[in-house]
Amino acid sequence: ILNVEQSPQSLHVQEGDSTNFTCSFPSSNFYALHWYRWETAKSPEALFVMTLNGDEKKKGRISATLNTKEGYSYLYIKGSQPEDSATYLCAEFNKFYFGSGTKLNVKP
Amino acid sequence: KAGVTQTPRYLIKTRGQQVTLSCSPISGHRSVSWYQQTPGQGLQFLFEYFSETQRNKGNFPGRFSGRQFSNSRSEMNVSTLELGDSALYLCASSLDPGSTDTQYFGPGTRLTVL
Repeated sequence: ILNVEQSPQSLHVQEGDSTNFTCSFPSSNFYALHWYRWETAKSPEALFVMTLNGDEKKKGRISATLNTKEGYSYLYIKGSQPEDSATYLCAEFNKFYFGSGTKLNVKP
Repeated sequence: KAGVTQTPRYLIKTRGQQVTLSCSPISGHRSVSWYQQTPGQGLQFLFEYFSETQRNKGNFPGRFSGRQFSNSRSEMNVSTLELGDSALYLCASSLDPGSTDTQYFGPGTRLTVL
């Protein structure tokens, strides 16, 4: 992996569903991985800064895990709500690379 | 605590002109970074400033420049505007530079080049 990649590009789920998406990043020279939530017409909002292999962070119904050895991070949303609809971005800050995001749409 | 502010919020320029965008970080934050988002592209890093010094620079032509003042406010300048410079320009501030500090984003400046 030379860059930051996110999958899937978009996701449509029903309210109440749990979902997860992936961020893959170069595992060499890793410093930190950031997750952001970006709603339309708003500023990106920081969710997590993850630095250690095996890190798990949680904020309400949203949690994230980190594997620096294999170069991936998962973001989980438990019991999705319509207000979770947003684009979720990850970024590695060794070279300031952002992924293109996963656009989540939660239907009521 | 006031968030990151950016001015102006919207700007329309024509090709060949130059533009200056401003970013005021959260009080106490000393690091400011700039990003560009064009349609269909993710956020692309422009530069990072700390203590009035550019610490990191992205892969953009020399037409893109920036500076930081002693009060941590930052400006970025784009000279000889091209149509492809039409984008949302975001700045973000953090307490210190480096990759482990949370970055707080401003609302962005939407630049349209005609």
